[in-house]
Amino acid sequence: LAKTTQPISMDSYEGQEVNITCSHNNIATNDYITWYQQFPSQGPRFIIQGYKTKVTNEVASLFIPADRKSSTLSLPRVSLSDTAVYYCLVGEGDSNYQLIWGAGTKLIIKP
Amino acid sequence: GAVVSQHPSRVICKSGTSVKIECRSLDFQATTMFWYRQFPKQSLMLMATSNEGSKATYEQGVEKDKFLINHASLTLSTLTVTSAHPEDSSFYICSAQLQGDSYEQYFGPGTRLTVT
Repeated sequence: LAKTTQPISMDSYEGQEVNITCSHNNIATNDYITWYQQFPSQGPRFIIQGYKTKVTNEVASLFIPADRKSSTLSLPRVSLSDTAVYYCLVGEGDSNYQLIWGAGTKLIIKP
Repeated sequence: GAVVSQHPSRVICKSGTSVKIECRSLDFQATTMFWYRQFPKQSLMLMATSNEGSKATYEQGVEKDKFLINHASLTLSTLTVTSAHPEDSSFYICSAQLQGDSYEQYFGPGTRLTVT
C-alpha cells in the first residue's frame, strides 16, 4: 500500500490558483490517485481521481507525471469557501479500497 | 502523528449474522468518531457521527437499528452491522477527531466486509 506525503498546511488568497502536491513514491501499477476535500466536522468529499497524465473536472485538475510518484491538485480561482483540508489518497485499482489516509493539507484562503 | 486503527481489516460473514467493527484512536483521545461506508467506484459516504457517552447521530437513509454504534470511551467506537445482507458488503472506514480541533480528523485503514 502506497503512503502519501503532503504539505501540512498552505495559505493563499481569493482568486488565486492553488496547487497542492502529493508524493507517493511507492505507488503500485494498479493504484489510482484520488483527492478528497473535507470541511470541519464533515466527512471527506471526493474531488477528483486519476491514473496518469491530466484529469480535469468542474472543480479541479489533477496533474500526474509519467513516473506517477507524485501528483498535483490544482484549484483554479479559489474562494474563501475552499478553505478545507485536502487529502491525497492512493488506492488499489479504481475501487478505492485499501487506502492509506494521510493527515492531509490544511488550505486556508484569505480575503 | 495520531493513529487510528480498525479491526478487523477484512471480514467475511454469512447473511443474517452480525459483525462488529472496532475503531480505536491509539495515541490520542477522540470525543468524536465518524463512520463511513464506501461502495466500489464511489466516494466515502458518512454514515454516522459518534460522540463519546452519547447516542450516535445517523445520516439520512442510514438505519440506526441495523448499524449499531457504541462509543463507550474516548479511544474506542464500535460499529455493529446486524443481520447482515449481501448488499451490506462494503468498505467501512472510521475516523477520529482530535479534541478541540475541528479540522484534524484521522482515518482508520478501513474494514472490508463481505456478506455471502
